[in-house]
Amino acid sequence: ILNVEQSPQSLHVQEGDSTNFTCSFPSSNFYALHWYRWETAKSPEALFVMTLNGDEKKKGRISATLNTKEGYSYLYIKGSQPEDSATYLCAPASGNTPLVFGKGTRLSVIA
Amino acid sequence: EAQVTQNPRYLITVTGKKLTVTCSQNMNHEYMSWYRQDPGLGLRQIYYSMNVEVTDKGDVPEGYKVSRKEKRNFPLILESPSPNQTSLYFCASRLGLRNEQFFGPGTRLTVL
Repeated sequence: ILNVEQSPQSLHVQEGDSTNFTCSFPSSNFYALHWYRWETAKSPEALFVMTLNGDEKKKGRISATLNTKEGYSYLYIKGSQPEDSATYLCAPASGNTPLVFGKGTRLSVIA
Repeated sequence: EAQVTQNPRYLITVTGKKLTVTCSQNMNHEYMSWYRQDPGLGLRQIYYSMNVEVTDKGDVPEGYKVSRKEKRNFPLILESPSPNQTSLYFCASRLGLRNEQFFGPGTRLTVL
């Protein structure tokens, strides 16, 4: 069973604040690192799939970086908005195993 | 429209009454998975399949069965449901390891 750690567990920020969270994963046999956004009462939706060490991806105000050698990824949200409130999940893909999700970081953005 | 569908979306049943939750995807994806989501425990994998007739256990397979007779369908079978299987279930599919995963809308199951 892959050990995937996400921190912090939850976060409350004011509208307009920038924030970031961490995903730690085993660096051996790495194939890809997935980030998902999960709003209440909906299904998780993919944000990024990252494969190369040093990868940086961006979608609007959300960006992510990847360090496969040390086994971590950061997700950044610039100028948080109430609609960014969600749980953010990461999942490493390793070998021929299924995606194993971390428990997520729950973000609440207060207007 | 590319999608993963699950049925039923909501189900209340009683202990011991066999049930099947269907999952279908129209994207010709190789990989399909079932997860359950419980408060404080995140998404936990029940079973997954890498292709037709190839299935394997995830982290919490006890009390569940699956089959993959066709590429598009991956039903989840509870032969004798128990109250501890009350949960929110998600089916998901993806093309490969480096491809994003698409989730179904979820099935909320209550076992009395």
